[in-house]
Amino acid sequence: AQKITQTQPGMFVQEKEAVTLDCTYDTSDQSYGLFWYKQPSSGEMIFLIYQGSYDEQNATEGRYSLNFQKARKSANLVISASQLGDSAMYFCAMRDDTGGFKTIFGAGTRLFVKA
Amino acid sequence: KAGVTQTPRYLIKTRGQQVTLSCSPISGHRSVSWYQQTPGQGLQFLFEYFSETQRNKGNFPGRFSGRQFSNSRSEMNVSTLELGDSALYLCASSLSTGQIGVGTDTQYFGPGTRLTVL
Repeated sequence: AQKITQTQPGMFVQEKEAVTLDCTYDTSDQSYGLFWYKQPSSGEMIFLIYQGSYDEQNATEGRYSLNFQKARKSANLVISASQLGDSAMYFCAMRDDTGGFKTIFGAGTRLFVKA
Repeated sequence: KAGVTQTPRYLIKTRGQQVTLSCSPISGHRSVSWYQQTPGQGLQFLFEYFSETQRNKGNFPGRFSGRQFSNSRSEMNVSTLELGDSALYLCASSLSTGQIGVGTDTQYFGPGTRLTVL
């Protein structure tokens, strides 16, 4: 069954330091996509980064990188050089063949960046 | 390219009323999905439309319905509102070529409609 697990309800990081947000997923499909979204207090979901199940390299987008470990079914988000504006909720999500045209989301991790 | 737009942004209704929310996808995107977000339940999938056809539906009562027009714009309707329907309703669009795992299924979200039911 499709499942996304984010075990860190909240995390603190010092400004300019790197932080890793954990995400594990469960699917029996070979084809799937993994996503990370950021949701500031305004409510809008902002797409950050994507990793396809067939991608051999870890995805990177600016200060965001995705540590994709397929055998362990983990897709951790790494934010380098944290900024105060990174304080927000972060959601890991997945879409696979079995789920059809439905994206499932984890419970989210609230990140607090300290000055 | 303009992003996903949702109207209205805020809505206050009373129990028993009905409400219609609107979503305009990114130009060229034919898939539109709707989600309900509440503090207790998190993000829950409502339904997804592609080329005016509903392709998938979440576990919500029949009071929740949607449709998609030929220009890919979508509306969702909630009838007989209940207090528990108070939530942020998010719409997302994607290219959705049908291939999973190649990135074309990346969803881009609108700003949401915050519905309060009194």
